[in-house]
Amino acid sequence: QSALTQPASVSGSPGQSITISCTGTSSDVGNYNLVSWYQQHPGKAPKLIIREGSERPSGVSHRFSGSKSGHTASLTISGLQAEDEADYFCCSYAVTNTYVFGTGTKVTVL
Amino acid sequence: EVELLESGGGLVQPGGSLRLSCAASGFTFSNFAMNWVRQAPGKGLEWVSTISDSGDSTYYADSVKGRFTISRDNSKNTLYLQLNDLRAEDTAVFFCAKEIYSVVYYYAMDVWGQGTTVTVSS
Repeated sequence: QSALTQPASVSGSPGQSITISCTGTSSDVGNYNLVSWYQQHPGKAPKLIIREGSERPSGVSHRFSGSKSGHTASLTISGLQAEDEADYFCCSYAVTNTYVFGTGTKVTVL
Repeated sequence: EVELLESGGGLVQPGGSLRLSCAASGFTFSNFAMNWVRQAPGKGLEWVSTISDSGDSTYYADSVKGRFTISRDNSKNTLYLQLNDLRAEDTAVFFCAKEIYSVVYYYAMDVWGQGTTVTVSS
């Protein structure tokens, strides 16, 4: 199972909105609404920020939102803040009874 | 408070073995499937294995199939990962992670441990 494709880096100024894409295939993102997104700060464990494509777990900021179109899922961060600077990974169920992660995106707040 | 605490990592020679443990607290461990995810130095996350709530069903990434074994002891609220025939490319931080919903799996991982480091080197 190949990793989902994400841009290596995305940047934005405080207050702006940025979007991170996550492209898969019909074996994963395209056929299942089971995409999750994780935020990881350096040296820390990942934190779940979006589940089932667009649902925010309790306690996650409303500035994070998720969507999907075809084989591509997206994470949008609105009102970018310094604390949002981190690595972001998408993840999907895959038809082979596995999870598959994205390649990861480093978000920089300018 | 829901918590996962990994242990058992260390330095091992190529071809060696290790057993990782993940102690769970703050939730009904026996109701949830569990996962292992690893992260090589400077790299992304890689799913390693999933085990059902009862332990009857297990799933592995192709990269570890036949070398790693996931198991659990629900009486001890502990998840395990037996690592055999270790290779340099297995060097990584290993995280255990809880499934978000009881019984089912592959929806999302809502609680993660802090990780334990495995280094494979001669």
